[in-house]
Order: sequence, then structure tokens, then C-alpha cells
Amino acid sequence: AQSVTQLDSQVPVFEEAPVELRCNYSSSVSVYLFWYVQYPNQGLQLLLKYLSGSTLVESINGFEAEFNKSQTSFHLRKPSVHISDTAEYFCALSYTDKLIFGTGTRLQVFP
Amino acid sequence: SQTIHQWPATLVQPVGSPLSLECTVEGTSNPNLYWYRQAAGRGLQLLFYSVGIGQISSEVPQNLSASRPQDRQFILSSKKLLLSDSGFYLCAWGRGGNTEAFFGQGTRLTVV
Repeated sequence: AQSVTQLDSQVPVFEEAPVELRCNYSSSVSVYLFWYVQYPNQGLQLLLKYLSGSTLVESINGFEAEFNKSQTSFHLRKPSVHISDTAEYFCALSYTDKLIFGTGTRLQVFP
Repeated sequence: SQTIHQWPATLVQPVGSPLSLECTVEGTSNPNLYWYRQAAGRGLQLLFYSVGIGQISSEVPQNLSASRPQDRQFILSSKKLLLSDSGFYLCAWGRGGNTEAFFGQGTRLTVV
């Protein structure tokens, strides 16, 4: 069965510091991977996606994620975070019309 | 462009009452449609998904049901709500295959 594991439920970090949010997946078939961001009491917004091609994917606001097939990981990174990056981040995988999510990581950025 | 509408934004219902949450998509045809529930510390749980009118796949056996009476309409229902049905319900649509999904703003359901 396919699954997504987000190893950290909360990640506190100071503004302008680098951050990594970890995501591992398990699948017996080819999958497609996504990161979503959720601000309080809102729906989810797509941050970035890996479908094929280059294993390093980037978003417009400075986040990047690298697909690592051998380690079955898709970690999200940002070299310098802002207060406005405080939110919940979800890793997800897609297969056969289903989209399943990890339990989420709350990123808290402190001044 | 495509848009997804979900309502109501918040709902407080007594135990044992019925439920109907509606979701509609505009600007696309034959979308995949999804209902998720979000509970604290549990991420997003896929409840139902649909690849076409009248086609519903249930992921988790529970007190809820879903229907797709029209191509771009997805309804989540319950005959009798339980306290454990409280949560944040999200509707989403996708283009099928292994592409991403786009989410509505969610409904905060509190069963009292």
C-alpha cells in the first residue's frame, strides 16, 4: 500500500534561518509527489510538484524539494525563511486517481 | 480559469441531525472530485473520491456518504451526525491520472 510519512509534527525556526521539512513515502508503483501549504482556516494551496524529469523542483517563493528515489524521500527546503512562511505543510502522493497526504508539519517562524 | 466553491464555511449541528455539504467546480469538465476530513494531528484523510457522475469510491467506512448528481457537483451527507464527525472538511478537484488537486476553502463542522 502507498503511504506518506512526515517525520516532524512541528518545526520551530528563527527568521532567516534555513529549514528542512522531511517527507518519506512508501509505494510499490511509480508515484507523483507534491507539497501543499495551509494557512489557518483555509484550504490547501499547491506549493510544488514532482511528476517527472529533474529531481529538483522549485516554487515561486523560494522553497525547493528534491525527489530521491533510492531513499524514497521528497524533503522540502528553504535557505532563509520569513515570518510569513508560518503555516502547515503537507506532503502528498498521487497514484491511480487518489491523492493521499501525510499528517503535516507545522512550521513556526520566530522573529 | 477553474474555481471551486464549498459551503457553508462553518456549521454547528446537534448530534443525530442530518448533514449536507456541497461542493461545485466551475471552468472544467469531468473533473475528479474528492472529499477529505482534517483532524488535528491526523493530516488529511481521504473520505471519498469520484471519477465521474454517479461513481463514488469510499476510502473509509463511516457515518458519511457522498454523491455526485452532476458532473461538477459533489455532496457529502450524513443521516445522523456523531460527535466524532466534527472536523474540517475539504473538497478538491483534479484532472485525473496522477496530477495535483485544487482545494476549496473548507467547512468547519462542529457537532454538539
